[in-house]
Amino acid sequence: QQQVKQSPQSLIVQKGGISIINCAYENTAFDYFPWYQQFPGKGPALLIAIRPDVSEKKEGRFTISFNKSAKQFSLHIMDSQPGDSATYFCAASMIHQGAQKLVFGQGTRLTINP
Amino acid sequence: DGGITQSPKYLFRKEGQNVTLSCEQNLNHDAMYWYRQDPGQGLRLIYYSQIVNDFQKGDIAEGYSVSREKKESFPLTVTSAQKNPTAFYLCATTLSGARTGELFFGEGSRLTVL
Repeated sequence: QQQVKQSPQSLIVQKGGISIINCAYENTAFDYFPWYQQFPGKGPALLIAIRPDVSEKKEGRFTISFNKSAKQFSLHIMDSQPGDSATYFCAASMIHQGAQKLVFGQGTRLTINP
Repeated sequence: DGGITQSPKYLFRKEGQNVTLSCEQNLNHDAMYWYRQDPGQGLRLIYYSQIVNDFQKGDIAEGYSVSREKKESFPLTVTSAQKNPTAFYLCATTLSGARTGELFFGEGSRLTVL
């Protein structure tokens, strides 16, 4: 119920291509769905997030698509660049005992080949 | 400089020893979290705290302990009862009442048990 399943585990994309990472969840109590980007040796940082009443959110080259009925959401990176090479985590958030509680997916290591 | 400071960055420990990881923040955030990161498993929640002198167990609290005596500080002790403590540990914070899915992460502490 609390799990968020993420795929693929790793992804290689050519420069200029589209990178797509998918996530699925079970618990309908989640009320926010963020994506985090992590570079080696650093902590994750918020990239983009979406509420479940919105089907798509775009920020620059990054787009989240959200399918509430299927309980799935995905990250699309358009015109992928070598600087996008990082590990990406999807997450689902809910309020639990007064605090935000985030459940993370397993992560996707993205490599953009020049 | 505002932010989250985790120390030490690298730590080596012999089996059977307890070790304490430090997390200090000057963002004036109420909520603080500890996550453990292992390859292929994403980030898993160990403990979180909404206010001083109060904290809740996360999904993998066994073998860990925390304290929250000050708003700025949330140290994590990895005890000898933790069966597989080698991992990358991440501290995070967020504003009380936030519902955006955003956590602010430190740069992590890598613990290796020899």
